[in-house]
This record gives sequence, C-alpha cells and structure tokens, in this order.
Amino acid sequence: QKEVEQNSGPLSVPEGAIASLNCTYSDRVSQSFFWYRQYSGKSPELIMSIYSNGDKEDGRFTAQLNKASQYVSLLIRDSQPSDSATYLCAVNVGGAQKLVFGQGTRLTINP
Amino acid sequence: KAGVTQTPRYLIKTRGQQVTLSCSPISGHRSVSWYQQTPGQGLQFLFEYFSETQRNKGNFPGRFSGRQFSNSRSEMNVSTLELGDSALYLCASKLQRGRNTGELFFGEGSRLTVL
Repeated sequence: QKEVEQNSGPLSVPEGAIASLNCTYSDRVSQSFFWYRQYSGKSPELIMSIYSNGDKEDGRFTAQLNKASQYVSLLIRDSQPSDSATYLCAVNVGGAQKLVFGQGTRLTINP
Repeated sequence: KAGVTQTPRYLIKTRGQQVTLSCSPISGHRSVSWYQQTPGQGLQFLFEYFSETQRNKGNFPGRFSGRQFSNSRSEMNVSTLELGDSALYLCASKLQRGRNTGELFFGEGSRLTVL
C-alpha cells in the first residue's frame, strides 16, 4: 500500500463548479497534511495546510481532514480555468519529519 | 526576497558519469530537502538536511548523496548515472522544523537527462 494515494485523474470540471480532490494515507500517526499545486512545467507551490480534523477554508479553497478515516480532501469552489493544474497531496509520515507526496491529480477546468 | 535557486536548470549526461546539483535556499531557511520527480513515480523524497546534518533519507541507492554547507546551501550528487536517473530534481527549503515541516518552498528544479 502506498503511503499517500490519490486518483491520478484527469479530473475535468466545468468552470464555476466545485472541484473535489481526494487523498488517503496509510500512516495513522501522521499529524500534518498539505495540498500543493503544480502548473505544467513549474514547481509545486503550497496552497493549503491542515492539522486538525474538520474543515479549513481559505478563499475558494477548503481542505477537509478525517483522521479516523485517514482521508484528506480539497474542494475548489467556483472553479476557474486558472485552477487547471496537478494537485499534490502531501503527508508528514510518522515521526520521521519526512514529507511524502501522492502521485497528484490532474485537474482541468473547462470554460 | 529571493526564492530557492537551483543550478544548473538543465543538463545532459551519459551513463556512468556523475552529476552535482546545487541549491541555495531562501535566506534564513536552514532546512533543505531534495526530491526526484518523474512521470511514473511522481515526487519522491531523497533526503533532508538541517544545519549541515542529514536528518532523513529516502529509499534511494547510495549513488545518491548530498551535503549542506554552513550557509545552508546544499548540493546533491549522483554517481554512476543510469538512464532511470533522468528526472526533474527539486530542492525545497523551509524555515524551521516542527509542525509546519511540510510547508516547503520549491526551486524551479534541475532537469537531468541521461543518455
């Protein structure tokens, strides 16, 4: 089982709709969770971090964490073509201070 | 404030050669991590350095090595290059360890092609 798993997509969403990206992780003791966005040909950039169960909102982005289910998600409301990118879920594994990335989900927002 | 700087941006090597990549972190950042990114494997953790000490290491062979200098700049070296080493090598820095240890700032990467 991979430490961090994401559906690779591609995920296609119409402009203005809600894009939902999901991630599961295997290490039960993980405490820190992150979403990175990577545009084609660019390096990843951090867009959200979440540490506690529940929702965390930042503008059009909402991160959701359920530690019991070992599940993290990212919702993008009012999706824009500029949101088209690969979204990487990242999890701190155990106490090793090692950040493990999922394979990424390629998201396309269709005008 | 300058971002993470990686050099060289592109390089082509042949099998059996070695390569050294350089990374200058954001000023004040003492932690530097290296990742390998390929289409098939995604982003894979190579190692992390903090205050000139290797803190963590990923599951890569001993051909992959790194170091960090007193000014926090870091280098990674790959010896006896193989075709499968062709990848984008990303360096990332962060301000401190602890809870926000995943808040990384990435450089543009060094794209290595092994022929």
